[in-house]
Amino acid sequence: EGQLVESGGGLVQPGGSLRLSCTASGFTFSDHYMDWVRQAPGKGLEWVGRVRNKANDYTTEYAASVKGRFTISRDDSKTSLYLQMSNLKTEDTAVYYCVRVTASFFFDYWGQGTLVTVSS
Amino acid sequence: DIQMTQSPSSLSVSVGDRVTITCRASQGITSSLAWFQQKPGKAPKSLIYHASSLQSGVPSKFSGSGSGTDFTLTISSLQPEDFATYYCQQYNSYPLTFGGGTKVEIK
Repeated sequence: EGQLVESGGGLVQPGGSLRLSCTASGFTFSDHYMDWVRQAPGKGLEWVGRVRNKANDYTTEYAASVKGRFTISRDDSKTSLYLQMSNLKTEDTAVYYCVRVTASFFFDYWGQGTLVTVSS
Repeated sequence: DIQMTQSPSSLSVSVGDRVTITCRASQGITSSLAWFQQKPGKAPKSLIYHASSLQSGVPSKFSGSGSGTDFTLTISSLQPEDFATYYCQQYNSYPLTFGGGTKVEIK
């Protein structure tokens, strides 16, 4: 069964940058689209964005709230997904989850999440 | 953007009760609807996809129905491990969007 493990969260000042990683195992990572979803403390789930697979040129999609500030990428040789976050705002404070997307475009596996706190 | 509206936002039920949660999309999404369960401090767990198909390993007490704009999640005979927050999500178009959640609490 597939496993996703996020890392890289922590405390960062407003305007700062941070890169999250998600390492996958137990499935053919390169076949799948991968997403990031976040959850602010005490709030609901918010989709952040997607990176498609090599067959779809690694193209990306983003939520309007992060477009231009966040970049999603992947390294299939390392079975890893990344979220580069820049110009961070206090409202970006959240637990960030990486999620596997199936061939039929629904989610199945979720990582355990990593907490990002944006505060001065 | 497609807005997903869940109701109720919370409900108090007893062990053994049948629970129904509804999710309405602001425009038609065919059957591109998923349901997730989340317990406090844990990652969401995928329950249902394509509105009515159970994810592998999910017990049959969970069922989903609907298409177009109106969907339901039903949990038959609620057990202590089912007390959690449930979210719907549409994956018909970008941006993907979630409902606000329904917290199922013990009465």
